Amino acid sequence: GQNIDQPTEMTATEGAIVQINCTYQTSGFNGLFWYQQHAGEAPTFLSYNVLDGLEEKGRFSSFLSRSKGYSYLLLKELQMKDSASYLCAVRPPHQKVTFGTGTKLQVIP
Amino acid sequence: DVKVTQSSRYLVKRTGEKVFLECVQDMDHENMFWYRQDPGLGLRLIYFSYDVKMKEKGDIPEGYSVSREKKERFSLILESASTNQTSMYLCASSPFGGAIGELFFGEGSRLTVL
Repeated sequence: GQNIDQPTEMTATEGAIVQINCTYQTSGFNGLFWYQQHAGEAPTFLSYNVLDGLEEKGRFSSFLSRSKGYSYLLLKELQMKDSASYLCAVRPPHQKVTFGTGTKLQVIP
Repeated sequence: DVKVTQSSRYLVKRTGEKVFLECVQDMDHENMFWYRQDPGLGLRLIYFSYDVKMKEKGDIPEGYSVSREKKERFSLILESASTNQTSMYLCASSPFGGAIGELFFGEGSRLTVL
C-alpha cells in the first residue's frame, strides 16, 4: 500500500522562502507529483520528479530522494497568491496516483 | 486547452437516492479517475479506468460504482446515497504512459446527502 505524510499547516511571510516536506512509503514508485489547490478550486499540476535531485521551475522547485522516500517543494519570494494547499502525490508503477492529505500554506504580510 | 467537465457543481440529495456524477474530457485520454476530497483526509481514490469498459477499484470503492461506455465519459454512481457520502467529488484524466502522466482535474462536484 501507500503511505504519504506531509505537514497539515504552515505559515510563512510574504517575500520569504518556505519548504514543504513530503515523506512516502509505497510499494513501487514511478514518480512524485506536487499539486497546488486554492480553496474551492481543482488541483493544478506544479511539478513531477522521477529521478533524484532538484527540479527548478521559476519560483518553485521540487526535490526528490528515492532512497529516503522524501521530497520537498520549495517556494521562493512568496506572494499572497501562494496561499493554498499543496498536495504531494505518488505514482506507483500502475496508474493509480495516491495523494497525501495536503499542506495548507498561509502567506501573511 | 485541456478540459475536464463535471456535470454538476453542487447537488443536494436525500438518503437512499441514486446519484449520478458525470465527467467528460476532451483530450482523448485513456485514464480517468474519481476521487473524493474531505477535510483532513485529502484526496482518496474511489475508482479509475484505463480504457473503455475497464475499471479498477481504488482505495475506497464501497458504496460506489462506475461506468465507462465511451472513452471521453466516466460516470460515478451512488446506488443508495448515504450521509457519509457527503463530500467533494473530483474527476481527473491522464494520458496512458505519458511522459509525465499528469492528472487534469475537473472543477469538482460538491454533493450533500441529507
